[in-house]
Amino acid sequence: EIVLTQSPAILSVSPGERATLSCRASQSIGNNLAWYQQKPGQAPRLLISDASTRTTGVPARFSGSGSGTEFSLTISSLQSDDFAVYYCQQYNKWWTFGQGTKVEIK
Amino acid sequence: QVQLQESGPGLVKPSGTLSLTCTVSGDSISGNHWWNWVRQPPNKGLEWIGEIFHIGSTNYNPSLMSRVTISVDKSKNQFSLELTSVTAADTAVYFCARAPGEHYYDSGTYHAFYYYGMDVWGQGTTVTISS
Repeated sequence: EIVLTQSPAILSVSPGERATLSCRASQSIGNNLAWYQQKPGQAPRLLISDASTRTTGVPARFSGSGSGTEFSLTISSLQSDDFAVYYCQQYNKWWTFGQGTKVEIK
Repeated sequence: QVQLQESGPGLVKPSGTLSLTCTVSGDSISGNHWWNWVRQPPNKGLEWIGEIFHIGSTNYNPSLMSRVTISVDKSKNQFSLELTSVTAADTAVYFCARAPGEHYYDSGTYHAFYYYGMDVWGQGTTVTISS
């Protein structure tokens, strides 16, 4: 089973600041990584696939990078709507999720 | 617009069987998609349960494999989840989700290939395991 480890668990950021979230895979997954945003009471929303491809409609302030075992999601200038929990997910072999990073208002 | 809607009992007794159905609208369940179940215990993260391709091929989370069955009903454009021998640890919000991809045969076995992530999700349904 491929394990994904996200860090940090909680990220406190002020609106307008930059946020960088990390995701590490226990073995190489190429670029088969997605990022999701989840708000309370809602289903996850697919933001990025193939490590760096934004889903249609996702603002350009969201960007993904990485390959192999190290990945990151950057939100260039946090807006109020961006405070949420973010999950990485690998789909190199079936599916596994990271444990999530909560982005909260500082 | 593609929509997924989960349905089923919100309360299941311990040792019983959890049964949920996901109804797909705006898309054919017979297309190039894997149809997934994902769950989220209260205040915890997401856990993949398993998936099915319309021809009936399935993949399951190894940690749940002994208790899970996912099936498809193409005539109703639905797929379903059964989870047996449930305990309080199975209390969660259960989501169904679509993952575009393929099912192919290579080197003597079948494989799943995913185009990208899970792009359409149901709203989720809460299932509580309690007597």
